[in-house]
Amino acid sequence: GESVGLHLPTLSVQEGDNSIINCAYSNSASDYFIWYKQESGKGPQFIIDIRSNMDKRQGQRVTVLLNKTVKHLSLQIAATQPGDSAVYFCAENTHTGFQKLVFGTGTRLLVSP
Amino acid sequence: AAGVIQSPRHLIKEKRETATLKCYPIPRHDTVYWYQQGPGQDPQFLISFYEKMQSDKGSIPDRFSAQQFSDYHSELNMSSLELGDSALYFCASSLRPGEGHEQYFGPGTRLTVT
Repeated sequence: GESVGLHLPTLSVQEGDNSIINCAYSNSASDYFIWYKQESGKGPQFIIDIRSNMDKRQGQRVTVLLNKTVKHLSLQIAATQPGDSAVYFCAENTHTGFQKLVFGTGTRLLVSP
Repeated sequence: AAGVIQSPRHLIKEKRETATLKCYPIPRHDTVYWYQQGPGQDPQFLISFYEKMQSDKGSIPDRFSAQQFSDYHSELNMSSLELGDSALYFCASSLRPGEGHEQYFGPGTRLTVT
């Protein structure tokens, strides 16, 4: 099964800093990756996605980098704001599947004003 | 914009009781997914439906069953509840299965089994 943990890794940053959240995935057949943001008591919210034929994709204040060689995904958040405080999950999906998402262990981002 | 609706938002049951969770997808979405999230854990895929047929199955216990109805809403039925079933249950919907069709998550149902 996928990795789980009662104690989430935590990244603490100051408001205005750039944040980098990392994720390692295990299935080399995965070809679609998504980052989700989950605030306390709420459902995961889509942030950005990337297909395996790309190694970088940019959104508004966010950039996702994909390194298929080492099966690593990262989410960069520019000028982090207190409202960015949440748990961030990466998720992977294989093209042949019915889009079942496999989530990685979340990272808690804490932004101090 | 309309979002995924889940009901109830909170549910308290005793061991060995049954529970039914409901999910109403975004209009025009024909694919529904169920996920279970334990405290401090990542969401785990349970089951999905496309056009009212089961399309994929994950780590769903035999005590659980689910279906998708003609109006595309879905229900997750849970029987012989155990303390370990206490979790957040999320439903997500998408336009149809396949790469690039973003899954939109509902607010979740928090199930507490005592």
